[in-house]
Amino acid sequence: DQQVKQNSPSLSVQEGRISILNCDYTNSMFDYFLWYKKYPAEGPTFLISISSIKDKNEDGRFTVFLNKSAKHLSLHIVPSQPGDSAVYFCAASRKGDSWGKLQFGAGTQVVVTP
Amino acid sequence: KAGVTQTPRYLIKTRGQQVTLSCSPISGHRSVSWYQQTPGQGLQFLFEYFSETQRNKGNFPGRFSGRQFSNSRSEMNVSTLELGDSALYLCASRVRGARGETQYFGPGTRLLVL
Repeated sequence: DQQVKQNSPSLSVQEGRISILNCDYTNSMFDYFLWYKKYPAEGPTFLISISSIKDKNEDGRFTVFLNKSAKHLSLHIVPSQPGDSAVYFCAASRKGDSWGKLQFGAGTQVVVTP
Repeated sequence: KAGVTQTPRYLIKTRGQQVTLSCSPISGHRSVSWYQQTPGQGLQFLFEYFSETQRNKGNFPGRFSGRQFSNSRSEMNVSTLELGDSALYLCASRVRGARGETQYFGPGTRLLVL
């Protein structure tokens, strides 16, 4: 049962424009959300996170928005750069669970074109 | 500081065989988690170890097992391999008690079952 869903398997965006990646979740016990980026032949690397007590968190070109009532979060990357081409995973941690146990979405492949 | 290392990087096995994958965490990290990544499923949590004890287990059959040694290195074993076990197996380490974003992933072991 996939409790974290990324319904767009791929996204193509022009360099300099905004990339918007979406993630939906079904478990209301999730209280912390993270985004990871993965290049081929490498492990995922942490990008940005947000606690359920917030609705926005910003770090440089990356902003994550959380809509708890809709159980939806999104990652905005602006401006998009060629180096942003990668697979992006949304992940969630359930209240009371160990931080080592994350539930991930299936990922969205982002391609930034010149 | 060296990152998380996983050996071997690539492996080909046949159905019915068993396989052992190894993970060496970042120095000082005592918590190790394992994930399976397959196309369309994203990363699925397998198990987490701390101080040589399994702390959490995901929804995988008993053919999947693991252990952790006193130096925090961890191994996972899959017995009676099935075609569906073909995947990228990722190991992640972190300092216990630290937030989820401090979980660092290794490059993974790609297992192909023929």
